[in-house]
Amino acid sequence: RKEVEQDPGPFNVPEGATVAFNCTYSNSASQSFFWYRQDCRKEPKLLMSVYSSGNEDGRFTAQLNRASQYISLLIRDSKLSDSATYLCVVNDGATNKLIFGTGTLLAVQP
Amino acid sequence: EPEVTQTPSHQVTQMGQEVILRCVPISNHLYFYWYRQILGQKVEFLVSFYNNEISEKSEIFDDQFSVERPDGSNFTLKIRSTKLEDSAMYFCASIGTAENIQYFGAGTRLSVL
Repeated sequence: RKEVEQDPGPFNVPEGATVAFNCTYSNSASQSFFWYRQDCRKEPKLLMSVYSSGNEDGRFTAQLNRASQYISLLIRDSKLSDSATYLCVVNDGATNKLIFGTGTLLAVQP
Repeated sequence: EPEVTQTPSHQVTQMGQEVILRCVPISNHLYFYWYRQILGQKVEFLVSFYNNEISEKSEIFDDQFSVERPDGSNFTLKIRSTKLEDSAMYFCASIGTAENIQYFGAGTRLSVL
């Protein structure tokens, strides 16, 4: 089983749509979880951390289900500027190294 | 806003040559990382560095790779004898002690010909 698994997409959605990304991770001992955003040929940038209680930042909502080892990201009212690759990322314990998923490509269409 | 800076932004080298990629982490950060991303693939962990020594390294980080913190600000990745398959984006990241968020530099694109 891959350490962090995501649907690669692409997700093609119209402006204003709601889109959801899912991710699973294999290490049940993982403690910290994140969604990063990566634009083409740029560095990953933190979008939001993911907490067990779920958390929201504007149009973005992240959820974590530790029992299922499942992470999700919901984007409401998609904007053209949301077009990017969304990376599910897990912090792998003692040295805080990050394990990345392959990313899900989102293309928001006008 | 403090940021991680990497130089050069693009490095072109011949196979078999040595390259040094440079990073200046955020000034009060103590944990440093190198990752690489081959074009079209996922970001992969290479090495973590803390207290002037390697704390963890991946299978990719073989004897051809080394890291150094030569002074209080720079953090370097050296590849001794580059191979074609070393062509990738190399990202440096750092983390402070008060949080667990890693901040990434803009990366160095390494092209081995």
